[in-house]
Amino acid sequence: DVKVTQSSRYLVKRTGEKVFLECVQDMDHENMFWYRQDPGLGLRLIYFSYDVKMKEKGDIPEGYSVSREKKERFSLILESASTNQTSMYLCAATGQLIYEQYFGPGTRLTVT
Amino acid sequence: KQEVTQIPAALSVPEGENLVLNCSFTDSAIYNLQWFRQDPGKGLTSLLLIQSSQREQTSGRLNASLDKSSGRSTLYIAASQPGDSATYLCAVQGGVKAAGNKLTFGGGTRVLVKP
Repeated sequence: DVKVTQSSRYLVKRTGEKVFLECVQDMDHENMFWYRQDPGLGLRLIYFSYDVKMKEKGDIPEGYSVSREKKERFSLILESASTNQTSMYLCAATGQLIYEQYFGPGTRLTVT
Repeated sequence: KQEVTQIPAALSVPEGENLVLNCSFTDSAIYNLQWFRQDPGKGLTSLLLIQSSQREQTSGRLNASLDKSSGRSTLYIAASQPGDSATYLCAVQGGVKAAGNKLTFGGGTRVLVKP
């Protein structure tokens, strides 16, 4: 089974802090994704990457950036955290052939 | 723009009853459809993936069907158990591979199986 891990399950940060969320996959998967999940709004795609150093904006990229220096690692960066970025953040990876998406356990971020 | 809808938003059944979960999508040009399970505060677990050329997929007590022409998929869970209580989400992947295999998610159906 594909394993996708995220660096923290719970995180509390202050407004204005720079926040890094890390995601690592243990298979040789090309595509990686960052979503956020909010009650009533469902899952929304923030950014995705289909190769090392490649990235594309999703539906809600404002206030976020990403980094993919190695194939197995995809980082989400909140340059200056704000309270409206309090959310559950989910990372996913998918292969090139069947494109089944595998998700990490999620990071619950609270910005105070 | 693809839209995915899951109705009802919540469902409660007694243990042993079969579960039927519905998913509809507006654009039939999909590459695949995936069903997920999510427990409270956790990530998503992939249950079944149906490719656009397939009509159904089965895994244990789970069976998912796909009717692309009508824009519908149904997830059946036979002989439900309290451990099946969770939120079930469906997601479709668009037909353009260059779009990075993005998924469009439905809002989910929250299921409670009562002992």
